[in-house]
Amino acid sequence: DGGITQSPKYLFRKEGQNVTLSCEQNLNHDAMYWYRQDPGQGLRLIYYSQIVNDFQKGDIAEGYSVSREKKESFPLTVTSAQKNPTAFYLCASSAYRGAYNEQFFGPGTRLTVL
Amino acid sequence: QKEVEQDPGPLSVPEGAIVSLNCTYSNSAFQYFMWYRQYSRKGPELLMYTYSSGNKEDGRFTAQVDKSSKYISLFIRDSQPSDSATYLCAMSGSGGYQKVTFGTGTKLQVIP
Repeated sequence: DGGITQSPKYLFRKEGQNVTLSCEQNLNHDAMYWYRQDPGQGLRLIYYSQIVNDFQKGDIAEGYSVSREKKESFPLTVTSAQKNPTAFYLCASSAYRGAYNEQFFGPGTRLTVL
Repeated sequence: QKEVEQDPGPLSVPEGAIVSLNCTYSNSAFQYFMWYRQYSRKGPELLMYTYSSGNKEDGRFTAQVDKSSKYISLFIRDSQPSDSATYLCAMSGSGGYQKVTFGTGTKLQVIP
């Protein structure tokens, strides 16, 4: 089955720790994205990557870092510099179809800072 | 003012009712309009997308776009308990890579 996997489903972190969220896709999509979802705020873009070894900051990149060493993988690290990291994190990917950017989402990782 | 405004609900309707979900937006550059459905603790899944103005129908779902009013709608006919979810509108421009801007989502509950 083609799709996007995220792991772990639930993650608990102590304050001051860095954690890495995994995102893998086997859809052969070039572009990948990380969003954060908080109640009442919708999806906010953290980082995105249109091609291997290249990525751009989204609207709320502070306190996060990413890498794109392989087409299939786009891990997100939540660093201790992120002031309020407790949230639901969603990874997405898309194939460039001319102008239309249909994004497919993974199941999400819920991060809780203790 | 947010680029995309969406009433968060919750919206409760009886089974079989027609549901109307709406978003307004301010960016006239938006050309693609999408509706995603998100079940609790899951990732969003694309329901429908439309380009520019007009209507699009898919089974019980109809999407409408009125660019002159900067207003989009999703209608669900004969609503079912399985339609209970949060519905997110999303929009983007056209040409090259375009960021997708999401609404905050409307939570819908269809009561049997």
